[in-house]
Amino acid sequence: EAGVAQSPRYKIIEKRQSVAFWCNPISGHATLYWYQQILGQGPKLLIQFQNNGVVDDSQLPKDRFSAERLKGVDSTLKIQPAKLEDSAVYLCASSWGDRAYEQYFGPGTRLTVT
Amino acid sequence: AQRVTQPEKLLSVFKGAPVELKCNYSYSGSPELFWYVQYSRQRLQLLLRHISRESIKGFTADLNKGETSFHLKKPFAQEEDSAMYYCALRRDDKIIFGKGTRLHILP
Repeated sequence: EAGVAQSPRYKIIEKRQSVAFWCNPISGHATLYWYQQILGQGPKLLIQFQNNGVVDDSQLPKDRFSAERLKGVDSTLKIQPAKLEDSAVYLCASSWGDRAYEQYFGPGTRLTVT
Repeated sequence: AQRVTQPEKLLSVFKGAPVELKCNYSYSGSPELFWYVQYSRQRLQLLLRHISRESIKGFTADLNKGETSFHLKKPFAQEEDSAMYYCALRRDDKIIFGKGTRLHILP
């Protein structure tokens, strides 16, 4: 089966600019996750979708980050405006609805904010 | 608060030597723990879960509730074991990751 797809793979922007990341989960996976992984740290959950509804966005900085999952399939994560501390790898993962432990991860998008 | 601690950022082990990657957790309730692995230029992936009590690629991990630990072990390290290893805890439908330990197998 095809894995989780993400694009772009790399992005360099200046602070205060906007950026968007795209994720296509594994077909049939109801749950989709966005993680932020800062260098030297483990992945930190930003937002979790179940189909097209938000399950948890408690760690999403809502003043600058937004995410949507229209039609319960693809998802986009946006940062507007970006700050230097947003430099990180943004990982998308998906899973069957009741198997949160068995998440399949995408390759990630490495964001550098200068 | 639920937390996963991996005290070692880097662990260097000679090929053929035993490996132990340490993980401690704090969780109020019955924890469900996992090890994830990320090989160079590959995606993060699940290695093993404590519930299944299985051995994957020669690795095992035993949940010790008394010591709140879930250390990952392998009796004889192989060069292909070099990777980043993340201990993780399940809370509801979310996974909480530790900061990771880089395992470097020396020839």
